Amino acid sequence: DGGITQSPKYLFRKEGQNVTLSCEQNLNHDAMYWYRQDPGQGLRLIYYSQIVNDFQKGDIAEGYSVSREKKESFPLTVTSAQKNPTAFYLCASSITGNYEQCFGPGTRLTVT
Amino acid sequence: DQQVKQNSPSLSVQEGRISILNCDYTNSMFDYFLWYKKYPAEGPTFLISISSIKDKNEDGRFTVFLNKSAKHLSLHIVPSQPGDSAVYFCAASDRGSRLTFGEGTQLTVNP
Repeated sequence: DGGITQSPKYLFRKEGQNVTLSCEQNLNHDAMYWYRQDPGQGLRLIYYSQIVNDFQKGDIAEGYSVSREKKESFPLTVTSAQKNPTAFYLCASSITGNYEQCFGPGTRLTVT
Repeated sequence: DQQVKQNSPSLSVQEGRISILNCDYTNSMFDYFLWYKKYPAEGPTFLISISSIKDKNEDGRFTVFLNKSAKHLSLHIVPSQPGDSAVYFCAASDRGSRLTFGEGTQLTVNP
C-alpha cells in the first residue's frame, strides 16, 4: 500500500529541546510539505521541497529546519527557537505540478 | 493577510438535508481550488476540486461551485449523512505546488 507515514503519533518534549518529526512516503512523489495546524486556524505551510536536496521556506518557517536527502523522506526539526511549538504537524506529498496533495496521519507535539 | 477565508467555524444540518460550506478568497491569481475533509487526529483527505476555468464540478453527493467575480466558492453536500461530520477545509493554489488553506468549518450532521 502506498502512503505517507508520520511517526510518532504523539510526542512530548521539554521546553528548550530540539525535536525531529519523521515523514516518509512511498508514493514516488517528488514534492513534500510540512504544515502545522492550530485550533481555529487552517493549515499553515512551514517548509516544502520539490526535489531532493532543495527546499523552500513556507509562511511560518522561523524556528524550524528541514532536510531532503532522500526522495522518500522529509524530516522536520522543531528547534528551541520556535516560540509556540505545541501543535498538530502534518506532512504531505504530491506529484510536482499536481495540485492535489496527499497527507499523512499527523504528529501531535506537546512541549511543556 | 488571510487570502482564503472560511467565515463559518461551524455548521449543523439534519441528515438528508443539504450542507453548504462557503469559502472566500482575495488572491485573483489563484487558479485551482480544492476541498479537503478532516477527522480529528487524522490527516486531511482530498474531496473534490475545481479549476478556475470552470464554475461547477460534481462528484456524487458533492458539488463545488466557483464564482470568480465574487471570489467565492462553495461546497454542497446532498443528501448529508452523519458520516460527513468532519472539518472541511478549502484550499487554493496559484503556482501548482503551494496550497493556501482556509480556517476550516466544522460540519455536524445530526441523525
